[in-house]
Amino acid sequence: QVQLAESGGGVVQPGTSLRLSCAASGFIFSHYGMHWVRQAPGKGLEWVAVIWYDGITKFYADSMRGRFTISRDNSRNTVYLEINNLRTEDTAVYFCARWGGSAIVEKIDHWGQGTLVIVSS
Amino acid sequence: DIQMTQSPSSLSASVGDRVVITCQATEDITHHLNWYQQKPGKAPKLLIYDASNLEAGVPSRFSGSGSGTDFVFTINNLQPEDFATYYCQQYDNLRRTFGPGTRVDIK
Repeated sequence: QVQLAESGGGVVQPGTSLRLSCAASGFIFSHYGMHWVRQAPGKGLEWVAVIWYDGITKFYADSMRGRFTISRDNSRNTVYLEINNLRTEDTAVYFCARWGGSAIVEKIDHWGQGTLVIVSS
Repeated sequence: DIQMTQSPSSLSASVGDRVVITCQATEDITHHLNWYQQKPGKAPKLLIYDASNLEAGVPSRFSGSGSGTDFVFTINNLQPEDFATYYCQQYDNLRRTFGPGTRVDIK
């Protein structure tokens, strides 16, 4: 079955950088685009970024452009999210999720359990 | 980015009730809308895709409709396991966005 497992979260200081990883299994990873979505404590879901199946095309939420970088390694079945110059408002659970469906009908059909990032001095 | 609004932000309902949640986009997104359910401490779960299509394995008491800018999500015969927060999400724009969520709790 499809499994997504995030890692790399923790308590970090403002201004530092962090790379989150998401290991995928149970499907042909190189055939699927992948998303990152975050959720601040007690708040709603916020879409962060998407990367196409081939790792070439990427899009970011307007508020995430510049400090966030999504990437993938299809040989390792892993998608990454690097966050630079972390701010307290980046404190959130970060979910990776699979872009299911097709290029026309998109659905985020499988989600990891999330990794918690706390930005605090 | 396309902004999404949901109404109401929260509601109280009883088992067996019919629950209706609306979602509105700031521009025409045709039918490019999904609905998700999230329970506390858990990842979201896809319920409805492409505005009105039921995801495999999801009970038929969940349904969605709408197109353009206005969408409706309905739960018929609310069950105890349906108390959760529900989010709409658009994928018409390359930068996807979620609605703010609607919390459904027990009356």
